[in-house]
Formats: sequence, structure tokens, C-alpha cells
Amino acid sequence: KNQVEQSPQSLIILEGKNCTLQCNYTVSPFSNLRWYKQDTGRGPVSLTIMTFSENTKSNGRYTATLDADTKQSSLHITASQLSDSASYICVVSDRGSTLGRLYFGRGTQLTVWP
Amino acid sequence: EADIYQTPRYLVIGTGKKITLECSQTMGHDKMYWYQQDPGMELHLIHYSYGVNSTEKGDLSSESTVSRIRTEHFPLTLESARPSHTSQYLCASGAEEQYFGPGTRLTVT
Repeated sequence: KNQVEQSPQSLIILEGKNCTLQCNYTVSPFSNLRWYKQDTGRGPVSLTIMTFSENTKSNGRYTATLDADTKQSSLHITASQLSDSASYICVVSDRGSTLGRLYFGRGTQLTVWP
Repeated sequence: EADIYQTPRYLVIGTGKKITLECSQTMGHDKMYWYQQDPGMELHLIHYSYGVNSTEKGDLSSESTVSRIRTEHFPLTLESARPSHTSQYLCASGAEEQYFGPGTRLTVT
């Protein structure tokens, strides 16, 4: 069964600190993995997208890594800001259908305190 | 920011009412999607479309229906709203990259 598991479920950090969010998946065949940021009451916004051959991708203070062999990904946030408070969702796409089906994790709820 | 819009943003409505959630995109995307998301849970695909006059049901069974008469427009309709339909509904468009609208928070009393 194609699944995406994220940990931790929630995380609280102080402003300026770094943090790392984890994503494990069983989706096969694998096409790409995306990290989205979803603010409360808003739609998800893409942060990074990585294909099988990529093992790291950065977007400002966000750095995503991918290990396609172990089917694990992480999202590292550097020097956190209050505006980083949001849900971070790991999404994996398969190659098994023309739709390019997306499998969503439940997200990690990050809270940054001043 | 993606050019995809949803209205209304919030809707509180009584049981039995018919409602239509609007979704429009100006990016010319052929593929469009509707997702349902409950608090703290993952997004579930309820409908998708490959283009005009093409609609398919997604993974999660839904009593809603959709139509795709124009490329830019993908409305979702509930003929008779029930409290179990209370949720957030997200519209998206795109192929390799999916762009999401801001969502409609629906509450059925």
C-alpha cells in the first residue's frame, strides 16, 4: 500500500533555532517528492520538488534531502522565523498512472515561539 | 503566487441546502483537482479532470459532483448538504506541479 508517514506530528521551537522534519514513504514506482508549506486556513504552497536522481534541494532557509534507496526524506529549516509556523506536508508522486497520483502525509505542525 | 481562486472562503449552511464551491485558474492548466482535508489529516483526492468535459472520481468517495465546461473553471456541487460534509475543500491545478487555491472551509449545521 502506498503510504507517506511524517514525524514528528508536531514540533515547537524557539525563533532562530534550526529543525528537521522527517518523511518516510512506500510509494512505488517513485516519480518525485515534494515538500509543501500550508498556513492555517490556506492551501499548500510548494517549497521543493525532487526527482529520483536528486538528493538535495534548497529554497532559501529550507533544504530538503532525499534518499531514494531507503525511501526517506527530510526538510531542514535554518534560523527559524515566526512566519515558519505552519504545517509542512510531504507529498510523493508515482509513475504508475497518467494522473501522476499524489500521496500526502498528514504533515508536521511546526510552531515557532519568540 | 499561483493564479487559482476559490469562493467562498468560508461557508456556513444548513442541512439539506444545495451548494456550489467555485474554483477558477488562469494558468491554462488542463488538469484540475478537488481535495478534501479534515483538521490534522492528509488531503484526500475526491475529483479530478484531465480537461474540458472530462471528470473522474478520486480515491475518497464523495457525494459531491463536479463539472468542467471551461478549462479555467471546475466547480464542485453538493445537492443536499449534511453535517458529515463539514470539511475544508481545496482545489488545485497543474501537472508536474500542482498549485493549490486557498480553500473553502465548509460547515454544515
